[in-house]
Amino acid sequence: EAGVAQSPRYKIIEKRQSVAFWCNPISGHATLYWYQQILGQGPKLLIQFQNNGVVDDSQLPKDRFSAERLKGVDSTLKIQPAKLEDSAVYLCASSSQRTDTQYFGPGTRLTVL
Amino acid sequence: DAKTTQPPSMDCAEGRAANLPCNHSTISGNEYVYWYRQIHSQGPQYIIHGLKNNETNEMASLIITEDRKSSTLILPHATLRDTAVYYCIVRAVNDYKLSFGAGTTVTVRA
Repeated sequence: EAGVAQSPRYKIIEKRQSVAFWCNPISGHATLYWYQQILGQGPKLLIQFQNNGVVDDSQLPKDRFSAERLKGVDSTLKIQPAKLEDSAVYLCASSSQRTDTQYFGPGTRLTVL
Repeated sequence: DAKTTQPPSMDCAEGRAANLPCNHSTISGNEYVYWYRQIHSQGPQYIIHGLKNNETNEMASLIITEDRKSSTLILPHATLRDTAVYYCIVRAVNDYKLSFGAGTTVTVRA
């Protein structure tokens, strides 16, 4: 079974620019998560989708971050405009309703200059 | 806000068992103990989880004390590829949210 796919793996932008990350979950997984991991810290949940609906976005900085999962499969996370403190690894995870164990993708490392 | 306490780091010898402790003194009856690990530059990898009983799979064993206030992850024969940050996480049965703490950095030495 293919794992969670993410792209790009690396991205370097300047502050105030915009950036988007893509995630394709494991086939059949209804729940999708985006996490932010700052260097030296554990991952922090940004948003959780159940199919194409948002379950929890309480930790998402909504003034600059947005996420969508229009068809209930793949998802995009956008930052506009980026700040220096957004430099982090952005991780996508998915889980099925049968096991509800989260499986993570490799992440996208964002550097904001 | 993590509900677990783990040592920041530990070393173990290749080929020996690695025993990783975790304290979760405020755990409630409807909360799982989950273990993940994160190898450098990779996403977190699921290892094992349990509710009350000890669990074993192809990667590790999870020993949960009878009062459920602490647990130990056992890697039976550590290899250099087991060098990673190991996270112990308490997660409610009806809530998918994982709250990661700082974890334990495990270094396996030859």
